[in-house]
Amino acid sequence: DSGVTQTPKHLITATGQRVTLRCSPRSGDLSVYWYQQSLDQGLQFLIQYYNGEERAKGNILERFSAQQFPDLHSELNLSSLELGDSALYFCASSKGTVNTEAFFGQGTRLTVV
Amino acid sequence: QKEVEQDPGPLSVPEGAIVSLNCTYSNSAFQYFMWYRQYSRKGPELLMYTYSSGNKEDGRFTAQVDKSSKYISLFIRDSQPSDSATYLCAMSAAGGTSYGKLTFGQGTILTVHP
Repeated sequence: DSGVTQTPKHLITATGQRVTLRCSPRSGDLSVYWYQQSLDQGLQFLIQYYNGEERAKGNILERFSAQQFPDLHSELNLSSLELGDSALYFCASSKGTVNTEAFFGQGTRLTVV
Repeated sequence: QKEVEQDPGPLSVPEGAIVSLNCTYSNSAFQYFMWYRQYSRKGPELLMYTYSSGNKEDGRFTAQVDKSSKYISLFIRDSQPSDSATYLCAMSAAGGTSYGKLTFGQGTILTVHP
């Protein structure tokens, strides 16, 4: 167990809907990272938050947004969902801003039907 | 062309074999190199992390980085059935917000037969 908690584990929703994925980082970690893993694209970095502030941005669609709250948990919001958004979404956390020792959660499997 | 290329395999070896996993990359700004192991339906787990060129050893695992060739390797000695997993290489540049952005290879599926 990495100490990073993601909920829910599985999510099935229809196209056009909006969902929220939640991540609780390890105790003491200030950075949260979101990744998307799909069969065709592999594991792709979406966004990083550090102590409540957006730190780095990757290939995150405009339909997706994230935030990190004062208690350091983070949420990833996915809206206007398309079939192609079906993927595993991982959250990772680390103490500082460097991603060399980040710990990953178990992921949320999103299926858009 | 992807920034990081990794042969997806699958790779199948007998128990006790030496396994060699490799990645090539095109971005010369990459300074941090990592190997992750991912079991089915689980999150990636960090195995090794190397800064710049050189070798690093941890038990049965050895990571090598050759920046001149833009080539990194992970060697697993005395492979065990429990090593069966997908192995992902990952890299990031240094400085500012680059520290947070990891670029992953596609992953190599490894099976170690008893």
